[in-house]
Amino acid sequence: EVQLLESGGGLEQPGGSLRLSCAASGFTFNNYAMTWVRQAPGKGLEWVSSISGRGETIYYADSVKGRFTISRDNSKNTLYLQMNSLRAADTAIYYCAKDQLVQVATIDYWGQGTLVAVSS
Amino acid sequence: SYELTQPPSVSVSPGQTASITCSGEKWGDNFACWYQQKPGQSPVLVIYEDSKRPSGIPERFSGSNSGNTATLTISGAQAMDEADYYCQAWDSYTAIFGGGTKLTVL
Repeated sequence: EVQLLESGGGLEQPGGSLRLSCAASGFTFNNYAMTWVRQAPGKGLEWVSSISGRGETIYYADSVKGRFTISRDNSKNTLYLQMNSLRAADTAIYYCAKDQLVQVATIDYWGQGTLVAVSS
Repeated sequence: SYELTQPPSVSVSPGQTASITCSGEKWGDNFACWYQQKPGQSPVLVIYEDSKRPSGIPERFSGSNSGNTATLTISGAQAMDEADYYCQAWDSYTAIFGGGTKLTVL
């Protein structure tokens, strides 16, 4: 059974930093691309970033480019999202998600999400 | 930038067919997928590559992609299908989500 467990969310001030983690299990982690998607309170889904199975291909949404960094440690089956220069607009539930293929593709499993709140 | 447009809401009577559309300029170049999200829950993939159903998704869910519009169809809608539905596609190394459609079954 695929399991994705996010952690690292919380309340942070504007301009601050947070690092999200996603512990994956139930599948061969390095065989699949991974993605972060966020959802602001009461709003729709917004793609944030994706990384291929071996980490050689990375994509970012324009809204986070230059501020957020996606990475993965395949030896630990863990996905990360380093978030710097946080803004109020970054407030959202952040979902870790597994793609169908080793290259970035359709998301087929989602974690339960971790809440990030940016406020002074 | 590429946009996917969905109706904000769709209503259907139990047992009837619901269709949710997703309009975009580049559907001819892209596959559509659809996610279902119930209140307080994470999204679930219900259709990928325009019309394929993941294992465990009921047969009443189907998808199509024609011209500028992708469509999710729920045949014989049930109360448990009441949820938000999002279409999604890739364009120029960017994943795009539609704004979401709230399906009400009443």
